[in-house]
Amino acid sequence: DTGVSQDPRHKITKRGQNVTFRCDPISEHNRLYWYRQTLGQGPEFLTYFQNEAQLEKSRLLSDRFSAERPKGSFSTLEIQRTEQGDSAMYLCASRIGGGEQFFGPGTRLTVL
Amino acid sequence: GENVEQHPSTLSVQEGDSAVIKCTYSDSASNYFPWYKQELGKGPQLIIDIRSNVGEKKDQRIAVTLNKTAKHFSLHITETQPEDSAVYFCAASTGGTSYGKLTFGQGTILTVHP
Repeated sequence: DTGVSQDPRHKITKRGQNVTFRCDPISEHNRLYWYRQTLGQGPEFLTYFQNEAQLEKSRLLSDRFSAERPKGSFSTLEIQRTEQGDSAMYLCASRIGGGEQFFGPGTRLTVL
Repeated sequence: GENVEQHPSTLSVQEGDSAVIKCTYSDSASNYFPWYKQELGKGPQLIIDIRSNVGEKKDQRIAVTLNKTAKHFSLHITETQPEDSAVYFCAASTGGTSYGKLTFGQGTILTVHP
């Protein structure tokens, strides 16, 4: 257990539905990242928060995706109008300053 | 942007043997190179990392080497044990406006046979 928690751990949804995932980073960590990992691949960067500010978004993050980090604590990632191609593991990581990134256990999304 | 290539994709060794996984990167500005171990159903866990001002780093049975000129780095595991079986990922990142985001390799499935 790295101290980063994610909820839910698994989510099954039907195409077209909206889903929201939550990440709770290690409490003093001011930097938070979201990654997506498809089967047999390494994680791919989606977006980065420093405190409450979203400072970078990958081109992978289409307009159906939105992320927030209110008050610089927990973060949410919402996917609207889900597609089968959104099926993946969504990973959250946090760090403080230039330290290592600690990953959560991930949320596995299956879109039917 | 950065591109990281990792080889081999699968590696099978006998308990007690050594295992070596190699990665190359494309962005000469990359300055931080972590290695992660991922077990089934879990998120990646850092096992060792190296920064560009160091050529080699060792932690018990695990070592990492970095060749900045050739833009490649390697993970060495000695005296492998069955519990070392997992997927291993290399990654690279730069500082500055990249905000430390990691670019990962494709992963290596390591199997250690008792």
